[in-house]
Amino acid sequence: DAKTTQPNSMESNEEEPVHLPCNHSTISGTDYIHWYRQLPSQGPEYVIHGLTSNVNNRMASLAIAEDRKSSTLILHRATLRDAAVYYCILRDANTGNQFYFGTGTSLTVIP
Amino acid sequence: DVKVTQSSRYLVKRTGEKVFLECVQDMDHENMFWYRQDPGLGLRLIYFSYDVKMKEKGDIPEGYSVSREKKERFSLILESASTNQTSMYLCASSTGTLILYEQYFGPGTRLTVT
Repeated sequence: DAKTTQPNSMESNEEEPVHLPCNHSTISGTDYIHWYRQLPSQGPEYVIHGLTSNVNNRMASLAIAEDRKSSTLILHRATLRDAAVYYCILRDANTGNQFYFGTGTSLTVIP
Repeated sequence: DVKVTQSSRYLVKRTGEKVFLECVQDMDHENMFWYRQDPGLGLRLIYFSYDVKMKEKGDIPEGYSVSREKKERFSLILESASTNQTSMYLCASSTGTLILYEQYFGPGTRLTVT
């Protein structure tokens, strides 16, 4: 499976937008881009996923570069509850039983 | 509401003991997974199962075995616990044959082997 690269940590002020980047330069045509987050003392939870087009849901938006070598998770208004580790993961549509989580980006939200 | 439960939040065992970690999901999901999470290493897949009595090795299966006798239950077994198995263990489940669907995680079991 192709791997992803994320910054170790980021900070954001409360109620401001947050853009969390992810590089996946070796992505293949059948890889879906998934984002999960892990709040303190909890298991990871699903945030969003996409293939080529940008995606929106109630939690976040996912912007995918045209060449698909990078993507950005957008939290439109950060809240204190959004402080978590965010994981960008690639999953192959054909063999995608396995997740490769990496170490993620630790987001701190400043009141 | 979707639920994945793990038998213990915290567990302390001695070196050489046999350890059972239990995971139960109430969503009728076909697929279940065991991960361990260590600082600086992220989550690593130990084993997964896509059906009752079926199992597949993940990235780090050495020192572990699994059992899935019923659809809702997936057990992780440490045959002879060692200190390097001290970790956070996370169970997850998902549905769908294409495995594009989200995984639902339990709260985790923090295992300490002394």
